[in-house]
Amino acid sequence: QAVVTQEPSLTVSPGGTVTLTCGSSTGAVTSGHYPYWFQQKPGQAPRTLIYDTNNKHSWTPARFSGSLLGGKAALTLSGAQPDDEAEYYCLLSYSGPGVFGGGTRLTVL
Amino acid sequence: QVQLQESGPGLVKPSGTLSLTCAVSGGSISNSNWWPWVRQPPGKGLEWIGEIYHDGRTNYNPSLKSRVTISVDKSKNQFSLKLNSVTAADTAIYYCATLGAASYWGQGTLVTVSS
Repeated sequence: QAVVTQEPSLTVSPGGTVTLTCGSSTGAVTSGHYPYWFQQKPGQAPRTLIYDTNNKHSWTPARFSGSLLGGKAALTLSGAQPDDEAEYYCLLSYSGPGVFGGGTRLTVL
Repeated sequence: QVQLQESGPGLVKPSGTLSLTCAVSGGSISNSNWWPWVRQPPGKGLEWIGEIYHDGRTNYNPSLKSRVTISVDKSKNQFSLKLNSVTAADTAIYYCATLGAASYWGQGTLVTVSS
């Protein structure tokens, strides 16, 4: 089974920009992995931010964007807010079965 | 807006079978989405268990495939998870969801495996 890797933790200053990445042990991440990004705050269910690499939901703040970057999926947060402090997970599809990354704990400080 | 609600026993004995149901309201399970189950052990990350399409097609996590069955009941607009031969390692919050252009999650239900 593939392993999906994320940075364990990142820190961003309020108003700053940070990029979270999502890599695959099988090689480059492509649009064919249909990358998803989820935000989870303590005690809450996950919330989908990005689907299929770069598509946003109506509730996704404009400051979040998804892309492919250097063979990985990426989630960029531009203009971080204190409310963005959370755990972020990516999900990749491998021709059916999905695999989550281990999550990135984002601190806004 | 689609809402999902998990239900089932909160306590399962070791070697028993974990059974959960996800009731879908505000939308039809027969749309074009896949419907996954995801779990999260206390204090740990998310684990993808498997998913089902309304026509019954399934995809399972290879590490759980021998113990997992996901089924759909279109007449009741719900889908279900069964995990057999459970151990303490299966203790987790279990979420049902739908992903894609319409993406919603249930609130999750804690299932504890203990005698």
